[in-house]
This record gives sequence, C-alpha cells and structure tokens, in this order.
Amino acid sequence: DARVTQTPRHKVTEMGQEVTMRCQPILGHNTVFWYRQTMMQGLELLAYFRNRAPLDDSGMPKDRFSAEMPDATLATLKIQPSEPRDSAVYFCASGLVLGTPQETQYFGPGTRLLVL
Amino acid sequence: GENVEQHPSTLSVQEGDSAVIKCTYSDSASNYFPWYKQELGKRPQLIIDIRSNVGEKKDQRIAVTLNKTAKHFSLHITETQPEDSAVYFCAASQRGGSQGNLIFGKGTKLSVKP
Repeated sequence: DARVTQTPRHKVTEMGQEVTMRCQPILGHNTVFWYRQTMMQGLELLAYFRNRAPLDDSGMPKDRFSAEMPDATLATLKIQPSEPRDSAVYFCASGLVLGTPQETQYFGPGTRLLVL
Repeated sequence: GENVEQHPSTLSVQEGDSAVIKCTYSDSASNYFPWYKQELGKRPQLIIDIRSNVGEKKDQRIAVTLNKTAKHFSLHITETQPEDSAVYFCAASQRGGSQGNLIFGKGTKLSVKP
C-alpha cells in the first residue's frame, strides 16, 4: 500500500530559525503539492510541481518560503526565518496527472510545526 | 479562478440518521470532484469522487451527487456511525483539471452522537 511520507512529523522551533520539511511522493506520481492547514484558513495550497518543475507557487509567501524538488523522490519546503504565524500542519500530497480528467491526490501524514 | 463553498461548517446527527454536506463551485470547466475525510490528527483521505460525466456515484453508505447545471455537488452518508465523525472536505479541479490542482472547501465537522 504505497503512501506519501513526510518528515519530520513534529517540529518545535524558535522564531527566526530555519525549518525544512521533506516529502517523499508515491513512486510514479508526477505531481507534488504542498498545503498548509490551520483552523482559521483550512487547507491552503502553497505550491505544486509537475515532473519536478514548479507550476504554481502563488500561495506561498515568497520572502520566507521556498519549495524545491531535488529529485523525483524528494520534495522540500523551507521556511527561513520562521515566525509564530507559520505554526500549522503542513501536508504534502502527490498524484499522477496526465491531463483531463483529473486524477486524485494522496496526502502524507503532515508535519505539525510550532514556532515559539 | 475556481471557488468552492461548503455548507454546513458543522453538522451533528444521531447515530443511524443520514448526513448531507453540500458544496458549490464557480468554474463551469471543473470536471472532477473528490471528497476527503480527515479524522482528528490524521491526514485527509479520499473517500469518494465523481467526474463530470456522471450524476451520481455510490459506495456502500456513501453517495455523491453532481448537478453541473447548478454547479453544486453533495455528499450523502446514510446510517451514520460514530466512526463517521470527522471533518469532511469537498474539492473541485481547477481549470478543468489541466493543471492538476484542486480547490478545497473549508470543511464540515460531522459529529455522530451514539
């Protein structure tokens, strides 16, 4: 049963520190998504990649957030410097998108981030 | 761009009753509508999805209906059980799915009382 994996599962850090979150998509999936979930905003799409190329990162605060896919098995989301308002659960999801009709996304377990 | 509205935000039902959650979308090009269930502290998990070429789909106690003309779709859970308690998210594909991303509703917290 293939699943998306994420590390770390929990992270507590102090304001100003760098945070790096990692995601391993399901083998064979060509699209990777990063979401942020908070009580107030729900599920927000931050960025997504197709075949490792960034397609859209308009949901991401550019000054402190960056997302990359060094290879097909690893996606990273970095926050530098972190702020208390970044506290949230960050989900990675992957899917196989070959055009219409849309194929579904499968979520990882999330990284619960707390910035003090 | 696509916008998805979901109602109600909270729903409480008695065990055995039915629950209905409704979503509306704005982009007539959207053609894929999944529903996710998220239990407390867990990841969102796909429970059912529907494509724009059908009007209804069922899977045991869960069904989804789609009205393309009115641009709304609904999740129906019959014979609810306490383990159905969770937050449910609807979603719609953006720009007809050509880009691969989904727009999510804000979620409905369903509580099933024993």
